[in-house]
Amino acid sequence: EDQVTQSPEALRLQEGESSSLNCSYTVSGLRGLFWYRQDPGKGPEFLFTLYSAGEEKEKERLKATLTKKESFLHITAPKPEDSATYLCAVRGDNYGQNFVFGPGTRLSVLP
Amino acid sequence: GAGVSQSPSNKVTEKGKDVELRCDPISGHTALYWYRQSLGQGLEFLIYFQGNSAPDKSGLPSDRFSAERTGGSVSTLTIQRTQQEDSAVYLCASSLFPTGQGAYGYTFGSGTRLTVV
Repeated sequence: EDQVTQSPEALRLQEGESSSLNCSYTVSGLRGLFWYRQDPGKGPEFLFTLYSAGEEKEKERLKATLTKKESFLHITAPKPEDSATYLCAVRGDNYGQNFVFGPGTRLSVLP
Repeated sequence: GAGVSQSPSNKVTEKGKDVELRCDPISGHTALYWYRQSLGQGLEFLIYFQGNSAPDKSGLPSDRFSAERTGGSVSTLTIQRTQQEDSAVYLCASSLFPTGQGAYGYTFGSGTRLTVV
């Protein structure tokens, strides 16, 4: 069964303190791994799509990487405005056009 | 419009009543999804529309749930005889490409928070 887990569940960082969020997945025939950011009371906002192991994508202070079993979202020198829940989702052969979402990591960046 | 619009933003209903939730996708987007997000849980897939194809209803949790998409644009999610366990945020997403490829993935609306009392 396709599964997505994320760790840690919650993370508190001081402003400027770099760290990484983990997304581990089990999927038959990965057709894409997606990272989203979700602010309270809003829908998820698309960040990155990764398709194959070794691929990396960057956007401002965020960098996403992918291996055959997991993806990392690296946050370099975070700012308080980076505080949000970060969601990981995968598409695989068993789910047609659907995503399987992980439970998310709640990130708080303190000034 | 510029984004995916959902209405109402909040809905409180009595147990046993029917509710309709509306989604206006981005103009021209052929793919449309409904997801449900319960407190502390991940997003749960409900239904997927792609152009004029038959919708993928495999995620609907019971026959009390139904959805339609008129004219390939606006979609309505209907929940009949609501139960307390239906309380959640219902999110709609749309995409230009059916597989969510390209630079922008799927664009989500802000959701409808449904509370069944």
